[in-house]
Amino acid sequence: EVQLVESGGDLVQPGGSLRLSCAGSGFIFSTFWMNWVRQTPGRGLEWVASIKQDGSETSYVDSVKGRFTISRDNAKNSLSLQMNNLRADDTAVYYCVREGIVVAAFDYWGQGTLVTVSS
Amino acid sequence: DIVMTQSPDSLAVSLGERATINCKSSQSVFHSLNNKNYLAWYQHKVGQPPELLIYWASTRESGVPDRFSGSGSGTDFTLTINSLQAEDVAVYYCQQHYGTPPTFGGGTKVEIK
Repeated sequence: EVQLVESGGDLVQPGGSLRLSCAGSGFIFSTFWMNWVRQTPGRGLEWVASIKQDGSETSYVDSVKGRFTISRDNAKNSLSLQMNNLRADDTAVYYCVREGIVVAAFDYWGQGTLVTVSS
Repeated sequence: DIVMTQSPDSLAVSLGERATINCKSSQSVFHSLNNKNYLAWYQHKVGQPPELLIYWASTRESGVPDRFSGSGSGTDFTLTINSLQAEDVAVYYCQQHYGTPPTFGGGTKVEIK
């Protein structure tokens, strides 16, 4: 059974940093693109970042470029998101999401971890 | 960026009736190399992560009930829920995977009338 388990969400002050982690199991982690997608009540679902199977390519939504860094450790089946200089509008539930190999879609989602940026 | 526009924002449907959700992309998401539309639909229930329902605009994900169907091509797409069940109450999102960044529609909330 495919499982994605996020951790690291917390309350942080504006300008602060946070590192999210995701542990994958039940599939060959190293063969899939992985993503972070966030959800806010006001803005719905928003793709945040993606990383290629071997980590050689990454992409980010414009609003987080230069502040967030996605990375992976295939030996540990783990995905991370380092978030720096956090802003109030980064407040969201962050999901670790697998991108299907055959299908161009996000086929498995973790349960999500809540990040709240507030003073 | 490709902008995805869903309509309506919400709808209330009686149990057993049909729900229809529309999604329009600001540019075509049809890829001529493989003749596929890079359009997916997700169901998001309260307190749960989103779940993939439909990909390639009309292919149901494994395990998805056949009352869910997707149609459309190019820039205009539809998700239809036939014979709405109580467990279908959720927010539904379309998403394009044709361009980077992948983008979602604003969501359509489906409730029971």
